[in-house]
Amino acid sequence: GAGVSQTPSNKVTEKGKYVELRCDPISGHTALYWYRQSLGQGPEFLIYFQGTGAADDSGLPNDRFFAVRPEGSVSTLKIQRTERGDSAVYLCASSPRPGRSTEAFFGQGTRLTVV
Amino acid sequence: AQSVTQLGSHVSVSEGALVLLRCNYSSSVPPYLFWYVQYPNQGLQLLLKYTSAATLVKGINGFEAEFKKSETSFHLTKPSAHMSDAAEYFCAVSDPGDTGFQKLVFGTGTRLLVSP
Repeated sequence: GAGVSQTPSNKVTEKGKYVELRCDPISGHTALYWYRQSLGQGPEFLIYFQGTGAADDSGLPNDRFFAVRPEGSVSTLKIQRTERGDSAVYLCASSPRPGRSTEAFFGQGTRLTVV
Repeated sequence: AQSVTQLGSHVSVSEGALVLLRCNYSSSVPPYLFWYVQYPNQGLQLLLKYTSAATLVKGINGFEAEFKKSETSFHLTKPSAHMSDAAEYFCAVSDPGDTGFQKLVFGTGTRLLVSP
């Protein structure tokens, strides 16, 4: 497809389990972002990739959260030992290049529910 | 640190009426400002952005916003609301920091309700 694709669209998991969320950016986009949107809140920055490297992971809440982008395209957000507070919509966005004014294109998100 | 405040979690208008969604920002440097719209079960879509050029910015779907430095505001307007404008609207500021990328700080959003 032409847009940012995120899978799964919905994920329900039990507390303590491990989950992986996948993001397929727009082809050719070098910049990739993950955000988290809790109920009733705006999205919050988690991590930014330029190419394969995580250029800024200052938004990751703790060491249970980790993200990779091994080939500079698809990215996976990994959450270990999930907690109920991790329940949120996880958004991925990509841009053709870095830059403060460059438009970021968002996917539809993965809704994670931890029960 | 940069921050954004959106006054009013919900705004209700009648079809054909003026739409005004408020956004105030806090930034230690000249900001880059954005408005995004989120329709149900869809991703965020950029409506418009201010990047230090013209202070009146025109976006898609008839929306526009005016950057007012003296008021630290970037309110979103549309002269005549349409039913299809019903959605959640987010204002965001790009955190400059020392980075060269777009690290967005979002407001809490305003849900626009349009009645016939």
